[in-house]
Amino acid sequence: DVQLLESGGGLVQPGGSMRLSCAASGFTFRTYAMNWFRQAPGKGLEWVAVIGNTGEYTNYEDSVKGRFTISRDNSKNTLYLQMSSLRAEDTGVYYCAREPTGVFDHWGQGSLVTVSS
Amino acid sequence: DIVLTQTPPSSPVTLGQPASISCRSSESLVHSDGNTYLHWLQQRPGQAPRLLIYKISNRFSGVPDRFSGSGAGTDFTLKISRVEAEDVGVYYCTQASQFPYTFGQGTKLEIK
Repeated sequence: DVQLLESGGGLVQPGGSMRLSCAASGFTFRTYAMNWFRQAPGKGLEWVAVIGNTGEYTNYEDSVKGRFTISRDNSKNTLYLQMSSLRAEDTGVYYCAREPTGVFDHWGQGSLVTVSS
Repeated sequence: DIVLTQTPPSSPVTLGQPASISCRSSESLVHSDGNTYLHWLQQRPGQAPRLLIYKISNRFSGVPDRFSGSGAGTDFTLKISRVEAEDVGVYYCTQASQFPYTFGQGTKLEIK
């Protein structure tokens, strides 16, 4: 079975940094693009970033460009999201999702990030 | 950015009755490769989103056949033929035809 397990969330002060991880299992990780999404408390879903299967391609939502970096380690079957200069509006549950060409077919259970002093 | 507008915002439905959710896009979702990357997700209370329908009308693995999708271009619809208690949650349309990927604001399905 495909499994995606996020970790690394928690409480961070405004301006701080945090790295999320997404451990993948049950499929050939290196052959799929991967995405990060987020959901602010009580709000809808928002796409954050995508990375190609080899890591050669990335794209970001405008509000996180220059602050967030998506990366992957195919030898460890793990996706990452390095977040810096965090703001209160970055608070929410962060989900990783697998992408077989334009479809988000499997999602992790999410990791809560709270940016607050 | 492509704006997806879902209606209604909430839908109280009697068990066993049908439900329908509309998703209208601000521009055509036909990709240059000929595919339309319009999908429907379900998010049950307290859970992660789950893929229901991909590329307009294809049911994902394990999704009951009471769920169906239709549409083309800019207008799309998710239908539930007979609502069951486990269908309660928020439904989102989403597009991956153009960056940034975007979502509708969600439709909350409730039981009357």
